[in-house]
Amino acid sequence: GENVEQHPSTLSVQEGDSAVIKCTYSDSASNYFPWYKQELGKGPQLIIDIRSNVGEKKDQRIAVTLNKTAKHFSLHITETQPEDSAVYFCVGGGGADGLTFGKGTHLIIQP
Amino acid sequence: GAGVSQSPSNKVTEKGKDVELRCDPISGHTALYWYRQSLGQGLEFLIYFQGNSAPDKSGLPSDRFSAERTGGSVSTLTIQRTQQEDSAVYLCASSFGAGVGYEQYFGPGTRLTVT
Repeated sequence: GENVEQHPSTLSVQEGDSAVIKCTYSDSASNYFPWYKQELGKGPQLIIDIRSNVGEKKDQRIAVTLNKTAKHFSLHITETQPEDSAVYFCVGGGGADGLTFGKGTHLIIQP
Repeated sequence: GAGVSQSPSNKVTEKGKDVELRCDPISGHTALYWYRQSLGQGLEFLIYFQGNSAPDKSGLPSDRFSAERTGGSVSTLTIQRTQQEDSAVYLCASSFGAGVGYEQYFGPGTRLTVT
């Protein structure tokens, strides 16, 4: 099955700076890579996703890059704001089963 | 519209007791997923339903865990003879269809504490 590794486990950045979270996956058949954001006391929520036929996707301050050869993908958040503080999960998948989540990154935005 | 709801939000039970967790998916969503989230861990896939059938039960940790879905809607996750290691947040998600590309919408979870 798929194995997803996520780094770092905790990331603290100054408000306004950029944050980068990196993930690797093992299954070369995986072709769908969503990112979920989980705020305290809530379930995860999809914030952006990318498919294997593109290398980069942007949505305002959030971007995701994918390197299929190296089997890694990253989440980039620019101009970070206090409301970006949350746990972020990368996900690998390609089949009809439940997605394989990384262990999560606790992002802390320092005022 | 209404999102995924789960009940109870919190459950404290004694070791050895059975518990039932409930999930109400978004209306019209055919796929339903159960995950377990332990403290500081990612989401562990347990089981998913397409309609009322569960094609993949391989994520269930032991035979003490079972799940059912009736009428293609509400699902219950049952844990028999609970153990302390069952303590976790149990998350339910639903999606319009099963498979790649369908966004999963998560409920707020049920926090289970086994004493």
